Amino acid sequence: QKEVEQNSGPLSVPEGAIASLNCTYSDRGSQSFFWYRQYSGKSPELIMSIYSNGDKEDGRFTAQLNKASQYVSLLIRDSQPSDSATYLCAVNDDYKLSFGAGTTVTVRA
Amino acid sequence: DTGVSQNPRHKITKRGQNVTFRCDPISEHNRLYWYRQTLGQGPEFLTYFQNEAQLEKSRLLSDRFSAERPKGSFSTLEIQRTEQGDSAMYLCASSFMVGTGELFFGEGSRLTVL
Repeated sequence: QKEVEQNSGPLSVPEGAIASLNCTYSDRGSQSFFWYRQYSGKSPELIMSIYSNGDKEDGRFTAQLNKASQYVSLLIRDSQPSDSATYLCAVNDDYKLSFGAGTTVTVRA
Repeated sequence: DTGVSQNPRHKITKRGQNVTFRCDPISEHNRLYWYRQTLGQGPEFLTYFQNEAQLEKSRLLSDRFSAERPKGSFSTLEIQRTEQGDSAMYLCASSFMVGTGELFFGEGSRLTVL
């Protein structure tokens, strides 16, 4: 299984601020990258996918990919209390996904 | 509901007993995956099927674990002679065979071994 590393957190941000989450991966040949959100006691839910270098924006979420540095990040703008969750970075590994341990984000009202 | 369905959602068992979990994937999806997740960790790959064929199984998976997907539809994951270390959330996911690789997860089956 490919290695996927995430900053361990927990990350606490005030409401309205930007939360920044980072992920590095071991296999330079990886092509597909995903961010999943997981609320406590629930299953992972896909929120973003990115396949090309650069930025991809979807609402308040922006994913950034730098394949040369083997780095993918997620920015959450205008953080809301409902964004409090664990965010999992996932990288394709042949036909499956390898996941990081996740970063727990708490948004303070 | 057209999502991935898993049952039972919760299972409490005594050490040494056998347990079986069932997963019904999204009907159009050819691929089905089983993952295991423990507290504070990301999902860990166990095995996956393409239609009815089991194409990969984690080297970390004990031979007490077996999975089937008869007729390429639902899948079962059986754990024999359970141990306390098997306590975890067992997640099923499905995906298209040809696609961009994202997995769609069910709600999971939480196993507690006493």
